Amino acid sequence: ETGVTQTPRHLVMGMTNKKSLKCEQHLGHNAMYWYKQSAKKPLELMFVYNFKEQTENNSVPSRFSPECPNSSHLFLHLHTLQPEDSALYLCASSQEGQGFSEAFFGQGTRLTVV
Amino acid sequence: AQTVTQSQPEMSVQEAETVTLSCTYDTSENNYYLFWYKQPPSRQMILVIRQEAYKQQNATENRFSVNFQKAAKSFSLKISDSQLGDTAMYFCAFMGNSNSGYALNFGKGTSLLVTP
Repeated sequence: ETGVTQTPRHLVMGMTNKKSLKCEQHLGHNAMYWYKQSAKKPLELMFVYNFKEQTENNSVPSRFSPECPNSSHLFLHLHTLQPEDSALYLCASSQEGQGFSEAFFGQGTRLTVV
Repeated sequence: AQTVTQSQPEMSVQEAETVTLSCTYDTSENNYYLFWYKQPPSRQMILVIRQEAYKQQNATENRFSVNFQKAAKSFSLKISDSQLGDTAMYFCAFMGNSNSGYALNFGKGTSLLVTP
């Protein structure tokens, strides 16, 4: 049990589909993140939410739409994706405002766009 | 923007031996944090060790230790008495005060294989 749970673990979707990735943290943290992990590339920060407010959007295409309804849940809504969007999507959480805070990661969703 | 460089895409070590993974970074900040994360085949990112830049003493966690050279902007990870379970991808990561919250900048990773 990692404290950060992502569902589904695997997802295959067509380019015209709409799907959502879910992340839930049970650690009482107030910040949540989406990262994209592609082969041969560093993990890329996509979105940051602090206290449910989005504070960073790293030039992510609009076909990725995040949602943070509360500090424990984070979604990534996907629509009209491209094959190059196939990757491992990792969610993380941390506690802000009290100095250093370790980031805890979920196990990721392996996304394949066909 | 901070960049993190891991120059060793793959490394191999025999069980019980010692291996060192290299990491360099680029920043203009004075206060920041550095991390090594491990990602086994299960894909779970696990924090191995962390270092606060204001601390001169190198961090140590059991068989894992770092060699932090602030002036050289170098942050290598030493794994002693390597075990088969250490086989994984290892990522060096930087977190600075200019980042949004505690978001991390990662290197490309080093794939470590521990052989019997």
